[in-house]
Amino acid sequence: GDSVTQMEGPVTLSEEAFLTINCTYTATGYPSLFWYVQYPGEGLQLLLKATKADDKGSNKGFEATYRKETTSFHLEKGSVQVSDSAVYFCALSETGNQFYFGTGTSLTVIP
Amino acid sequence: ETGVTQTPRHLVMGMTNKKSLKCEQHLGHNAMYWYKQSAKKPLELMFVYNFKEQTENNSVPSRFSPECPNSSHLFLHLHTLQPEDSALYLCASSPRRLGGTDTQYFGPGTRLTVL
Repeated sequence: GDSVTQMEGPVTLSEEAFLTINCTYTATGYPSLFWYVQYPGEGLQLLLKATKADDKGSNKGFEATYRKETTSFHLEKGSVQVSDSAVYFCALSETGNQFYFGTGTSLTVIP
Repeated sequence: ETGVTQTPRHLVMGMTNKKSLKCEQHLGHNAMYWYKQSAKKPLELMFVYNFKEQTENNSVPSRFSPECPNSSHLFLHLHTLQPEDSALYLCASSPRRLGGTDTQYFGPGTRLTVL
């Protein structure tokens, strides 16, 4: 069945450091891929998405490229800020209603 | 900013109580979802409604009872819960357009504690 695996956290970085959060997926077809972010005390917010191979999703300085050959969708940011501290979820959807989420990766950015 | 609201934000209840969680979406979407989020576990999809009809029930215990009176409102009725049901309950909605990629939009969640 479909599934998403993301790197274990927590991740702690200094401000302005480079961020990578790994995400790999298993799917039978051609899923859409998503990154969601959850700030403390809030629900999940869509951060970015990609709907087909080689697409790059980007938002707020974050980027992720849909790599079909490696079944990956790694999240990157060149220079993190304290305000980026949150939990990040990778997700996929093959059909309209079935979404599969990873376990989440907690990021803490220290000044 | 969110187009999906949930009430209450926090709820503490005893195992014999009956309570309801409410979700409302202001996005004109046709699908609504309930998820359970527990620490260190993936989000668990509980129920899916498309155009007010329940289309998914992921083996959820009967002590959780969903209700979707229209495309904008979704309820989760709770009764005789167990302490292990304590979690963050998230509501989401999506456009559910035919032939396109769907994207879910989440509410802030209800933090439920069962004593």
